[in-house]
Amino acid sequence: SYVLTQIPSVSVAPGQTATITCGKNNFGSKLVHWYQQKPGQAPVLVVNDDSDRPSGIPERFSGSNSGNTATLTISRVEAGDEADYYCQVWDSRSDLILFGGGTKLTVL
Amino acid sequence: QVHLVESGGGLVKPGGSLRLSCAASGFTFSSYFMSWIRQAPGKGLECLSYISSSGRDIYYADSVKGRFTISRDNSENSLYLQMSSLRAEDTAVYYCARFRAAYFDSWGQGSLVTVSS
Repeated sequence: SYVLTQIPSVSVAPGQTATITCGKNNFGSKLVHWYQQKPGQAPVLVVNDDSDRPSGIPERFSGSNSGNTATLTISRVEAGDEADYYCQVWDSRSDLILFGGGTKLTVL
Repeated sequence: QVHLVESGGGLVKPGGSLRLSCAASGFTFSSYFMSWIRQAPGKGLECLSYISSSGRDIYYADSVKGRFTISRDNSENSLYLQMSSLRAEDTAVYYCARFRAAYFDSWGQGSLVTVSS
């Protein structure tokens, strides 16, 4: 089955680096995109096409994709980064769009 | 800048129907794919449907296929989602989003749909 696997929660101290992973076993080389969602707000795209940052997204946010795992890395974490983060892929051949289950980032 | 505003949500009884609208501004609406994504209370994101810029190509998730219909009016810069045979599990915030290449680069603020008797 097609599933994107995310760890439910990650905690990190301010100033440290947060690493959020997305297991994409059945999606091979598909591009991965990442969204940040703060409580009561709509999601915001923070990384597209594995590692590109949309305009306005801080350089502290970076992405990578290798093998069966994509990774969102947030450097120098700030309190304002506390949010849910979702990965997403699109398989154009099967016309399947899938989100991971989300990872809640807690800033200690 | 891109602005998407959903409307039409509310309380509906099981088996009922509802039509969501999304008013778009700040970009050339007719040039972009558009989509509907929902989020059940306390849950993750689910892409329900997307429609090509012309309206000719449409995708539905299995969970809504046959019950929901996406459409657009490029002359009105509007996107729609007609929902029928609604179930309790359709209760969610429904987002309109611009679908660019393979990702959703702009989102509306969402419209809450509650299905309950």
